[in-house]
Amino acid sequence: QKEVEQNSGPLSVPEGAIASLNCTYSDRGSQSFFWYRQYSGKSPELIMFIYSNGDKEDGRFTAQLNKASQYVSLLIRDSQPSDSATYLCAVRSGGSYIPTFGRGTSLIVHP
Amino acid sequence: KAGVTQTPRYLIKTRGQQVTLSCSPISGHRSVSWYQQTPGQGLQFLFEYFSETQRNKGNFPGRFSGRQFSNSRSEMNVSTLELGDSALYLCASSSQTGDTEAFFGQGTRLTVV
Repeated sequence: QKEVEQNSGPLSVPEGAIASLNCTYSDRGSQSFFWYRQYSGKSPELIMFIYSNGDKEDGRFTAQLNKASQYVSLLIRDSQPSDSATYLCAVRSGGSYIPTFGRGTSLIVHP
Repeated sequence: KAGVTQTPRYLIKTRGQQVTLSCSPISGHRSVSWYQQTPGQGLQFLFEYFSETQRNKGNFPGRFSGRQFSNSRSEMNVSTLELGDSALYLCASSSQTGDTEAFFGQGTRLTVV
């Protein structure tokens, strides 16, 4: 059973701070890692993907992958109230087109 | 280009009825996956279709079925609805040509009463 674990939160950070969201996965054969943002009542929206160990930056977002420790994280710099949402981690194994999703971490950015 | 389109957006059905949901993927995308999302279970994979063939299937009862047409549009059917089937049903499409990130539609909110 492939598992993807996320702390459900809520994670509360002040505006302007760095929000750090973490995700661990059980399948060592995992090769692709995705972060989705889901606003309340809306569908998930892809914001980042990462395939290789290390950091990948896109604007205020940085995804970090450590395959040896089987975790992937998402950093949001200069957090804004509009970043308040649930962040879903998704992991896909090699040879599979179907990602396994974590249950998401609720992020609250307060002014 | 247009995104993933799901219809209808909202549905209310009675226990025992059946329902059909529709999903039109992004133009050129050949893979369509269906997910059920509930507060208690999160996002759970139902099945995936590629070129009109079911390629992957999640752990759901046979009451849940689907199909894909030659234009890649997909339908999902749930028969003999139960109260526990109340959920947000999401469809995701991907190109399956290497950049296999999945893009979600707005979902269909199904309420079974």
